[in-house]
Amino acid sequence: DQQVKQNSPSLSVQEGRISILNCDYTNSMFDYFLWYKKYPAEGPTFLISISSIKDKNEDGRFTVFLNKSAKHLSLHIVPSQPGDSAVYFCAKASGAGSYQLTFGKGTKLSVIP
Amino acid sequence: DGGITQSPKYLFRKEGQNVTLSCEQNLNHDAMYWYRQDPGQGLRLIYYSQIVNDFQKGDIAEGYSVSREKKESFPLTVTSAQKNPTAFYLCATRAGSYGYTFGSGTRLTVV
Repeated sequence: DQQVKQNSPSLSVQEGRISILNCDYTNSMFDYFLWYKKYPAEGPTFLISISSIKDKNEDGRFTVFLNKSAKHLSLHIVPSQPGDSAVYFCAKASGAGSYQLTFGKGTKLSVIP
Repeated sequence: DGGITQSPKYLFRKEGQNVTLSCEQNLNHDAMYWYRQDPGQGLRLIYYSQIVNDFQKGDIAEGYSVSREKKESFPLTVTSAQKNPTAFYLCATRAGSYGYTFGSGTRLTVV
């Protein structure tokens, strides 16, 4: 049973437009979510996070929205740039103690110049 | 300059052989993790260690083994029992609650 689902394997967006990446999750007692960006043959790098006590977190061009009733979060990138082309992973944190992350399967974003 | 070093970057192994992937960190982080990435599968947890001389199995530990004899090192051995070892392996450390830092990975190919 997938705890974190990224249903879109890929997404293409024109440069300058908005990119919206989506993630659905199954509920747990404590929810903390992170987005990671990954280039081929490299390790993922942290992008932005949000805790369940918030519904929005913003960092420059990146904004994450959390809809707890729908168990859904999304990452918005505005404006999209060619350097944003990468695989984006949504991750959910387990409960306190192990701090394990469960990752979605990723969405490959291609920003077209 | 602190970071995580995974070596080698590319590794080839013959079927039936064990192989050890190295992960070294100088970030002074207590927790270390091994993930595996397959195309279209995301990252799956193999093993993790929260303290020296202690480690736990993750979701896909079968066919793998680890050790944590010192804080800086968390090597992963892919044994011959692992049925499909060809993959991209990522080591990570954690500071604080959810601050994961990943290494640059090792691509293992069975030939």
